Amino acid sequence: DTGVSQDPRHKITKRGQNVTFRCDPISEHNRLYWYRQTLGQGPEFLTYFQNEAQLEKSRLLSDRFSAERPKGSFSTLEIQRTEQGDSAMYLCASSFGGGRSYNEQFFGPGTRLTVL
Amino acid sequence: SQQGEEDPQALSIQEGENATMNCSYKTSINNLQWYRQNSGRGLVHLILIRSNEREKHSGRLRVTLDTSKKSSSLLITASRAADTASYFCGNSGNTPLVFGKGTRLSVIA
Repeated sequence: DTGVSQDPRHKITKRGQNVTFRCDPISEHNRLYWYRQTLGQGPEFLTYFQNEAQLEKSRLLSDRFSAERPKGSFSTLEIQRTEQGDSAMYLCASSFGGGRSYNEQFFGPGTRLTVL
Repeated sequence: SQQGEEDPQALSIQEGENATMNCSYKTSINNLQWYRQNSGRGLVHLILIRSNEREKHSGRLRVTLDTSKKSSSLLITASRAADTASYFCGNSGNTPLVFGKGTRLSVIA
């Protein structure tokens, strides 16, 4: 399968623990995006990479969140000291792109995080 | 907030009927994209319309764009039970996609 994959699909953790999610984009895509989606809402942009460079971060991305894409391929999103408000679906997407042109994005199945 | 709005929030129709969803956005755009999301899944791209286009078709989908009103509509013709999903518009301007809350479409067989 050459689509976007995310791991794990589900994560249950206790408040205060750290969690890390992984996203493997479509291999030819140079851009990778992270979104967060809560029930009944649309996806909210968190951050994106072009190759290994993190080009933009949303104000939603507090200092407890960090994302990396070290070799311009897969990406990780880490949440430190999780809070119950972090419970959400975390979606990853990838696309071709350059400059200020944002093309169609291909989404992964998401990682559902539950913080107890 | 740059978040747009889809309208209606929920729509229930019979199989074979047409479904129309509307989307309004707040900022200038390079393009506007429509996505479908089945429950608990990731989003699937449906169609992209550029700011200099007014209408676009793809199979049973028809999208219009009115940049003067900052609005777009998605028409699904001859709906099927499999079209049951949430539909989101994402507007792309100087930032990556900004999504609204979506329209939840139920197609009853």
